[in-house]
Amino acid sequence: DAGVTQSPTHLIKTRGQQVTLRCSPKSGHDTVSWYQQALGQGPQFIFQYYEEEERQRGNFPDRFSGHQFPNYSSELNVNALLLGDSALYLCASSLLQPGTNEKLFFGSGTQLSVL
Amino acid sequence: AQTVTQSQPEMSVQEAETVTLSCTYDTSESDYYLFWYKQPPSRQMILVIRQEAYKQQNATENRFSVNFQKAAKSFSLKISDSQLGDAAMYFCAYLRPAGANNLFFGTGTRLTVIP
Repeated sequence: DAGVTQSPTHLIKTRGQQVTLRCSPKSGHDTVSWYQQALGQGPQFIFQYYEEEERQRGNFPDRFSGHQFPNYSSELNVNALLLGDSALYLCASSLLQPGTNEKLFFGSGTQLSVL
Repeated sequence: AQTVTQSQPEMSVQEAETVTLSCTYDTSESDYYLFWYKQPPSRQMILVIRQEAYKQQNATENRFSVNFQKAAKSFSLKISDSQLGDAAMYFCAYLRPAGANNLFFGTGTRLTVIP
């Protein structure tokens, strides 16, 4: 059973560019959450998708947007990249139903470097 | 707002010895979940142990156990018989009650295991 997979593993962009990161959830999971982990920090919640809708959002600007597809996979898009967007981006999947939503499984992340 | 504090940026332990990692949190909720995650150099967040706030009994998973003090809002992790493979970043995390999947993470503790 494949766990949470993320692509690409590493990415280098320049300021002002746009980037798309991808995530495939663990088999059977219907909810995808994205986190940003800056160097030396704990991950911070960006947003969560369920049934192709953004369900919750953390304190991130509108430059950060996402999408969930009918197969539950998800994309994270960041526009107008800033140097401060350099970080590890983690995807986590789970089931939304009560009693299971605390069981999050994480991918290995995409390391984004903005030059 | 929920905050999670890990006051030990780095800890070290001799192989086969016991080490305790500290975590405090702030919340006005009475029902929540607390977690310890391990992040090795592979970057994937791996769940070590989970505690439901309504349970008085401290969670245990093999060599890992917690000391959950709800009134003091303290949640420490004890690793017994430390192994070289335990070396990693350890993050304490808080999850709001059912229906909200956004984890709040601390800043992490880097654990070194000395052979």
